[in-house]
Amino acid sequence: GAVVSQHPSWVICKSGTSVKIECRSLDFQATTMFWYRQFPKQSLMLMATSNEGSKATYEQGVEKDKFLINHASLTLSTLTVTSAHPEDSSFYICSARGGSGGTNTGELFFGEGSRLTVL
Amino acid sequence: KQEVTQIPAALSVPEGENLVLNCSFTDSAIYNLQWFRQDPGKGLTSLLLIQSSQREQTSGRLNASLDKSSGRSTLYIAASQPGDSATYLCAVRHSNYQLIWGAGTKLIIKP
Repeated sequence: GAVVSQHPSWVICKSGTSVKIECRSLDFQATTMFWYRQFPKQSLMLMATSNEGSKATYEQGVEKDKFLINHASLTLSTLTVTSAHPEDSSFYICSARGGSGGTNTGELFFGEGSRLTVL
Repeated sequence: KQEVTQIPAALSVPEGENLVLNCSFTDSAIYNLQWFRQDPGKGLTSLLLIQSSQREQTSGRLNASLDKSSGRSTLYIAASQPGDSATYLCAVRHSNYQLIWGAGTKLIIKP
């Protein structure tokens, strides 16, 4: 099945620094990737939709200047948390739509997630 | 506005039992519904995907059903094992690819 790789799997940083998380589709091209955030004991929440070659679409309440998304190629999307603060500590997960040979199954494949802790 | 509810929030059963997890949604105009498994501190594993035109999907000991008209999906796990212990999430997708998530059911299978 399709594989999505996310890196790093965990990161600890000081308040005020920026952190970049990468999401790669390893065996398929993904024109659209999605970024989610999950706080402890809460549901996954969609942050933004990342489209290759264009600006990301952010969900209401998500600061686009704080969470920078770049989808420069069909296999890579990055999320940069700028000037991170302790309240940004969370589990960030990316996903990409799978499919092969022109078949769109609609199934989303997920990275393993990145746990961010801001001190 | 679509809302997805999962009941129960937590479930603990002895090993070997068959069990059913429930997922309900308020807007039946969905593109598909997907069941996931999440192990503590880890990412998501997709279990089953049901397209809006389908009634059920099966994979090994797992069977997922979909009743769009009533806004319900169930995940049936047969002959449960301790390794099935995890949080199970359902998510419905609309045509814009946005996923609306349930809060999950935390499942514990006791040896």
